Amino acid sequence: QQPVQSPQAVILREGEDAVINCSSSKALYSVHWYRQKHGEAPVFLMILLKGGEQKGHEKISASFNEKKQQSSLYLTASQLSYSGTYFCGTEMRPNDYKLSFGAGTTVTVRA
Amino acid sequence: KAGVTQTPRYLIKTRGQQVTLSCSPISGHRSVSWYQQTPGQGLQFLFEYFSETQRNKGNFPGRFSGRQFSNSRSEMNVSTLELGDSALYLCASSSGTGDIQYFGAGTRLSVL
Repeated sequence: QQPVQSPQAVILREGEDAVINCSSSKALYSVHWYRQKHGEAPVFLMILLKGGEQKGHEKISASFNEKKQQSSLYLTASQLSYSGTYFCGTEMRPNDYKLSFGAGTTVTVRA
Repeated sequence: KAGVTQTPRYLIKTRGQQVTLSCSPISGHRSVSWYQQTPGQGLQFLFEYFSETQRNKGNFPGRFSGRQFSNSRSEMNVSTLELGDSALYLCASSSGTGDIQYFGAGTRLSVL
């Protein structure tokens, strides 16, 4: 079951904030966030697990609402380097061994 | 520490041919996952291997197959190529379930 990401695209000026959402119709065990720049491999940002555990970069902020099966990634005081396509990947069970990715959110940060 | 290495980086094939892609995971990682990325479908899960065993498979036809060797290197094979198989194929390695997946740069396959 592929998660739904919103918005599809967002354009920001440096210093502005944005929120990217990732929703599932099924109960989730974990949500993984990645950023991919054009022509490059996706790069890990954050994992949020059911129960509250998080692993990720200090400068990245995200939340996981287990009741709503929704995760949000917060881009705060955006920099030019934040530009790229953000993907959320979801697992429904601890031993799923499978990430289902959303269609992606394209973020463009302009000077 | 070396990252995930995928070879070759680019491939051009014709319809009906078969292709084998290779993925060398980060040293010590035993889990390797494969994904197909296209502009229309995004990142689609193909399969995951751990210690030479396939633990999960996505919704792809049987023309897509894979295997993992004892050194954790993995190969993916696509037989009887179709135009729609043109895509970026990414592999990712991790140390275990629910852990960070590290992606390789991918193999871009073009089917003519």
